[in-house]
Amino acid sequence: TQLLEQSPQFLSIQEGENLTVYCNSSSVFSSLQWYRQEPGEGPVLLVTVVTGGEVKKLKRLTFQFGDARKDSSLHITAAQPGDTGLYLCAGAKTSYDKVIFGPGTSLSVIP
Amino acid sequence: NAGVTQTPKFRILKIGQSMTLQCTQDMNHNYMYWYRQDPGMGLKLIYYSVGAGITDKGEVPNGYNVSRSTTEDFPLRLELAAPSQTSVYFCASSSLRDRRTNYGYTFGSGTRLTVV
Repeated sequence: TQLLEQSPQFLSIQEGENLTVYCNSSSVFSSLQWYRQEPGEGPVLLVTVVTGGEVKKLKRLTFQFGDARKDSSLHITAAQPGDTGLYLCAGAKTSYDKVIFGPGTSLSVIP
Repeated sequence: NAGVTQTPKFRILKIGQSMTLQCTQDMNHNYMYWYRQDPGMGLKLIYYSVGAGITDKGEVPNGYNVSRSTTEDFPLRLELAAPSQTSVYFCASSSLRDRRTNYGYTFGSGTRLTVV
């Protein structure tokens, strides 16, 4: 059973379009992280959100943590081919718990 | 600053063979982890360590062993390789965690293992 679900599983869009990917759970998390993984490489941390309702921006990427701390979203504005990759969300139920990972959203941005 | 280094990058094993996947980090991180990644399944935790001399099982430990004799190194041993162990293996590390700060894992670039 996946404690963290991600949707959509695959997404293919044209350069310049906007998109949102989602990370959902029935459990409450003390924090959620988003990683991007490029082919042949390990995941790279993009952001950590820890407060319900928190919004963080990283250039064209906007991350939001749900008010109930059970879900998160990643919005990309004006997607570029360099945004192509696997986006993983990961969460910990407490500060001392091991982090668990969702299955990922595979994004392809076509020039 | 090398971060987390994994070797080898690729390996093909025959059923029943053994091998050790190497992982070393130069960030003086206390925590180290081994994950396997299968298509559509995310990352599954195999073993982890909270410091030298201390290891514990994760979600999918069967068929694997680990040791942590130093802070820097955390090798993963596969005994009697099976086709089900075909996967991409990632080592990661992290410092002591504080939920008020942006903590996260630093990953190596992975080892792609095929068992035939």
